[in-house]
Amino acid sequence: GQQLNQSPQSMFIQEGEDVSMNCTSSSIFNTWLWYKQDPGEGPVLLIALYKAGELTSNGRLTAQFGITRKDSFLNISASIPSDVGIYFCAGQLRAGKSTFGDGTTLTVKP
Amino acid sequence: EAQVTQNPRYLITVTGKKLTVTCSQNMNHEYMSWYRQDPGLGLRQIYYSMNVEATDKGDVPEGYKVSRKEKRNFPLILESPSPNQTSLYFCASGLGQGHYGYTFGSGTRLTVV
Repeated sequence: GQQLNQSPQSMFIQEGEDVSMNCTSSSIFNTWLWYKQDPGEGPVLLIALYKAGELTSNGRLTAQFGITRKDSFLNISASIPSDVGIYFCAGQLRAGKSTFGDGTTLTVKP
Repeated sequence: EAQVTQNPRYLITVTGKKLTVTCSQNMNHEYMSWYRQDPGLGLRQIYYSMNVEATDKGDVPEGYKVSRKEKRNFPLILESPSPNQTSLYFCASGLGQGHYGYTFGSGTRLTVV
């Protein structure tokens, strides 16, 4: 099946810093999604991207759908302690079928 | 409250003993899906359904069955569980109709001994 390479695998940052993570694939996707997972919980949808080149914000989060349709990035500005968690990208080529990256674990030091 | 409810949260069973993990959503969503999450492997899709009586294989369907007889329910069935199916399982539902993000349940941690 399709595979997503998500990087970095983990990040340790100071509170207030900006964060950037990305996802790349050897195949194209028609939809890119970004989720956050807190310990002991299911992932929660942060941002959905539906068109190549689309740039979408959700509060301090900004994500972009790459022009080639093979990549996406997520930025978090001015990180706070509650940003701690695992961030997953997911790509969909056709409705319903999702492929997830392996996640980026974010640690924020106060 | 809009939610995806899966039961049980924790389950320990023995090899070969059939089990069912239930999943129900109260949001009238078209799409439903099952994932398993293993350390270092992210989430892998087992099966998904785009409507009642319409199911399709994800990336790791072997050893699992699903059914979608009603819109709100999407049970995951392990006919003969094996230790390599020990994992954290998530059910999810999605609106569909051009909106493809999923709402996830809280997970079922399954151990097969």
